[in-house]
Amino acid sequence: DVKVTQSSRYLVKRTGEKVFLECVQDMDHENMFWYRQDPGLGLRLIYFSYDVKMKEKGDIPEGYSVSREKKERFSLILESASTNQTSMYLCASRGGGPWEQYFGPGTRLTVT
Amino acid sequence: AQSVTQPDIHITVSEGASLELRCNYSYGATPYLFWYVQSPGQGLQLLLKYFSGDTLVQGIKGFEAEFKRSQSSFNLRKPSVHWSDAAEYFCAVGMDSSYKLIFGSGTRLLVRP
Repeated sequence: DVKVTQSSRYLVKRTGEKVFLECVQDMDHENMFWYRQDPGLGLRLIYFSYDVKMKEKGDIPEGYSVSREKKERFSLILESASTNQTSMYLCASRGGGPWEQYFGPGTRLTVT
Repeated sequence: AQSVTQPDIHITVSEGASLELRCNYSYGATPYLFWYVQSPGQGLQLLLKYFSGDTLVQGIKGFEAEFKRSQSSFNLRKPSVHWSDAAEYFCAVGMDSSYKLIFGSGTRLLVRP
């Protein structure tokens, strides 16, 4: 079974802190994705990566950056957390079929 | 622009009743279509997918979906709902060679005992 893990299920941070969300997949997938999920808005793509050190902006990249130094790991960075970044963050990797994505359990981030 | 619409925010059905969740998409070419389910506090799990061929596709947990090109729809169905089906359901469209997915806003299913 494909496994996508995220470093934390719940996280509470203060405004202005630098926040790292980590995602690891164990299936040697090339593509990885970060989404945020908000009620009524579904999933919105923040960034994705199609190879090590390669990244592209998604639909809502403002306030976020990413890092992919190893194929299995894709990190989402909030340089200076703000309250409007309070959300559920989901990581996914692509494999199996052309567009089939496998999701991690999510990290619920609260910024106070 | 490509988009996915799930017109129902919430749906409530009785256990044992049939279910249909609606999904409409806007995309110029033949779409690649998915349904995902998210149980409370969990990530998304793939229920089924359509790439080509037979327009009625079977998925896990007894779900099926039918692709109707003329209506730009990909509705999810289940003949008899179980209490464990209570969750949020997302329709998604795959687009171009970037392998990105566009998701609908989700439908929350509640199951009455």
